Amino acid sequence: DAGVIQSPRHEVTEMGQEVTLRCKPISGHNSLFWYRQTMMRGLELLIYFNNNVPIDDSGMPEDRFSAKMPNASFSTLKIQPSEPRDSAVYFCASSPRAGVYEQYFGPGTRLTVT
Amino acid sequence: QQPVQSPQAVILREGEDAVINCSSSKALYSVHWYRQKHGEAPVFLMILLKGGEQKGHEKISASFNEKKQQSSLYLTASQLSYSGTYFCGTENEEPLGGGADGLTFGKGTHLIIQP
Repeated sequence: DAGVIQSPRHEVTEMGQEVTLRCKPISGHNSLFWYRQTMMRGLELLIYFNNNVPIDDSGMPEDRFSAKMPNASFSTLKIQPSEPRDSAVYFCASSPRAGVYEQYFGPGTRLTVT
Repeated sequence: QQPVQSPQAVILREGEDAVINCSSSKALYSVHWYRQKHGEAPVFLMILLKGGEQKGHEKISASFNEKKQQSSLYLTASQLSYSGTYFCGTENEEPLGGGADGLTFGKGTHLIIQP
């Protein structure tokens, strides 16, 4: 299995620009999670989906952040407009069906907003 | 609410033992343990569900005391490969709807193993 795939791996953008992060979960997994990791705040849950439906987006910091999961094999996290404080590593993780709860993390996208 | 991990960092010699603690101010349904090496993604180690069970994985084991809302990770006869940052992630309620639940992670414990 290829594991969780994220793109791009690195993104450098200027303040005010739109940023789109992409994630392909492991085939057959029905839950998908977006996390953000910074030195100050650690690993934070932003939003998660079960069966492509957003379940909890209370971790999304502001309206500038949005996430979609149009089908079982693709999700996006969009930041518009981006700000320097959005700089972080963004991880996508997926989890198998009910009864098996471990989460498999993708390699992450390192976002730098200047 | 974010679980509290202790210690924040620990330095060991190869072969020594370590204990990493994770405590919550709210009732717990499950505790997950992950290890992250520098520049890499977190990797799943084990999950403990409500019921106070203890699990093991090679020389790494963990316990879960739901009454105390605590979990501990035990690393025995540590190896150089155990170096990294250990995170506990918690769920406060049983997931609904047949799917998994998002985790709330502690700030991590940095473990350095020296030869």
